[in-house]
Amino acid sequence: AQSVTQLGSHVSVSEGALVLLRCNYSSSVPPYLFWYVQYPNQGLQLLLKYTSAATLVKGINGFEAEFKKSETSFHLTKPSAHMSDAAEYFCAVSDPLEGGSEKLVFGKGTKLTVNP
Amino acid sequence: NAGVTQTPKFQVLKTGQSMTLQCAQDMNHEYMSWYRQDPGMGLRLIHYSVGAGITDQGEVPNGYNVSRSTTEDFPLRLLSAAPSQTSVYFCASSYRGGWTEAFFGQGTRLTVV
Repeated sequence: AQSVTQLGSHVSVSEGALVLLRCNYSSSVPPYLFWYVQYPNQGLQLLLKYTSAATLVKGINGFEAEFKKSETSFHLTKPSAHMSDAAEYFCAVSDPLEGGSEKLVFGKGTKLTVNP
Repeated sequence: NAGVTQTPKFQVLKTGQSMTLQCAQDMNHEYMSWYRQDPGMGLRLIHYSVGAGITDQGEVPNGYNVSRSTTEDFPLRLLSAAPSQTSVYFCASSYRGGWTEAFFGQGTRLTVV
């Protein structure tokens, strides 16, 4: 069975600092991986996804993530945080052998605070 | 395009009452899913559907029913509401395939008293 672990339920950074949100997955086969963002009282919006085409994936709003099979990781980064990045971020996995995107397994989320 | 539309946005129920959360998508997606979001728990899959007439259980199906009579609609029924079902419910839809993006509705915040 798949699982996703997000290290750190809360991360706080200063405006302009590097953002690093950690995600590790457990899967029997190389999975499809997603990062979603949720702004307060909103639904989830896709930031980026890994589907085996390239290990370094660029997403919206300046975010990117790198798939590292040896470390079973898919950490999310942004070089310079902006106040508008304050939100909750979810890592999710889809197992090609167990179904598609109708059965996403989510991590517990990381709430990002950006301090002025 | 409206995308994924959920109604209502807010609901308060008394213990034992039943209700249906509505979800509709206008993107002709084959896959639809219901998740619940609880603080510190992330999103957990309740039920999902891979096409009209086909549904299956997710991680936390107890107390919920679904049906999929059309491609567009995927209602979630609470049979007899319990305080443990207080949560935010999200409906999602996507094209066939594990690599495809799931589109989410704005959520329904349900309180059971």
